[in-house]
Amino acid sequence: QVQLKESGPGLVQPSQTLSLTCTVSGFSLTSNSVHWVRQPPGKGLEWVGAIWSGGSTDYNSALKSRLSISRDTSKSQVFLKMNSLQTEDTAIYFCTRSGELGYYFDYWGQGVMVTVSS
Amino acid sequence: DIQMTQSPASLSASLGETVTIECRASEDIYNGLAWYQQKPGKSPQLLIYNANSLHTGVPSRFSGSGSGTQYSLKINSLQSEDVASYFCQQYYDYPTFGSGTKLEIK
Repeated sequence: QVQLKESGPGLVQPSQTLSLTCTVSGFSLTSNSVHWVRQPPGKGLEWVGAIWSGGSTDYNSALKSRLSISRDTSKSQVFLKMNSLQTEDTAIYFCTRSGELGYYFDYWGQGVMVTVSS
Repeated sequence: DIQMTQSPASLSASLGETVTIECRASEDIYNGLAWYQQKPGKSPQLLIYNANSLHTGVPSRFSGSGSGTQYSLKINSLQSEDVASYFCQQYYDYPTFGSGTKLEIK
């Protein structure tokens, strides 16, 4: 069955770089795009960016200058790197799979809580 | 970016009632609209895609409708397990979400 699982540090210091990994199973990264979505505590959802099945990427325009998404298809892993972290980046970070008929999200990981604090 | 305005922010209804949540897009999104349910401490779960298509395994008491810039999610015969937050998301352009509706039982 389709599964996605995020991993990474729970605590990052301000101005440092966040590195997260999404490990997927049950589908191929060359068939479906994988997106990152984040949710500050008690707040709504924000699309962060995506890596498409062909390997190209797109980013939220508000985060683009700090963000990089890449993948290793042999390991079924997608990577997110975000630099110059601030307290406003504190959130649960989810990786998600896009659906077959559009860029809605039909499977989600459990999420990883990232706190930006010294 | 396409802005999604979702209403109401919170909703209280009795078991068995029908509730409706609405989303308005800042421009025509041509039915590129999904609805999600999120229970406390859990990931969002897809309910509806393409404005009115029910995702696999979702109870038929959930339905979606709308076109252009106006969309709605209807829940018939409200059950206790429907207590959750609900979000809309457009994907005609880069994805953006509504601010959410918190549904409680009266």
